Amino acid sequence: EDQVTQSPEALRLQEGESSSLNCSYTVSGLRGLFWYRQDPGKGPEFLFTLYSAGEEKEKERLKATLTKKESFLHITAPKPEDSATYLCAVRRNTDKLIFGTGTRLQVFP
Amino acid sequence: NAGVTQTPKFQVLKTGQSMTLQCAQDMNHEYMSWYRQDPGMGLRLIHYSVGAGITDQGEVPNGYNVSRSTTEDFPLRLLSAAPSQTSVYFCASTPGGSYEQYFGPGTRLTVT
Repeated sequence: EDQVTQSPEALRLQEGESSSLNCSYTVSGLRGLFWYRQDPGKGPEFLFTLYSAGEEKEKERLKATLTKKESFLHITAPKPEDSATYLCAVRRNTDKLIFGTGTRLQVFP
Repeated sequence: NAGVTQTPKFQVLKTGQSMTLQCAQDMNHEYMSWYRQDPGMGLRLIHYSVGAGITDQGEVPNGYNVSRSTTEDFPLRLLSAAPSQTSVYFCASTPGGSYEQYFGPGTRLTVT
């Protein structure tokens, strides 16, 4: 069965303390992996798309990487404004996405 | 551009009532979809549309209807509300040839 698992469920960091979020997947025919950021009370906001193992994308303090079984979202020197829930989703060989349950990140000053 | 808009932001229904959640986008995107988000569960696809006049079922379609008469609008109808439909509903749109979804702000629905 196709599945997307994110870990940890919640992460508390001190400002400046770098860390990584994990998204592992078991999907047949992966056609893309997506990262979104969701702030409380708002809709998800698109961050990155990764298509093949070894691919990396960067945006400010965030870097997303992809292997054949998982993706990491690395956060370097986070700031309080990086606090949000980060969602991972995969696309199979259809038009539909499967979302993980997210990692809730809190960054304290 | 307003992007993806949803109305209402909040709604309380009694069991058995019907209502329509509105979704509109002004980006001329071909693909639109409806998701529900529940605590401890990922976003789950309810229905989607690949263009005006074309709709299809997602993962959890029971109890919901959709139609797509224009590119801009994609309303979601609850036929007879049940407490199990208490959730936050998100509409999203995607430009053709891409899977980068643009989400609306959501509608928080409570069914009592």
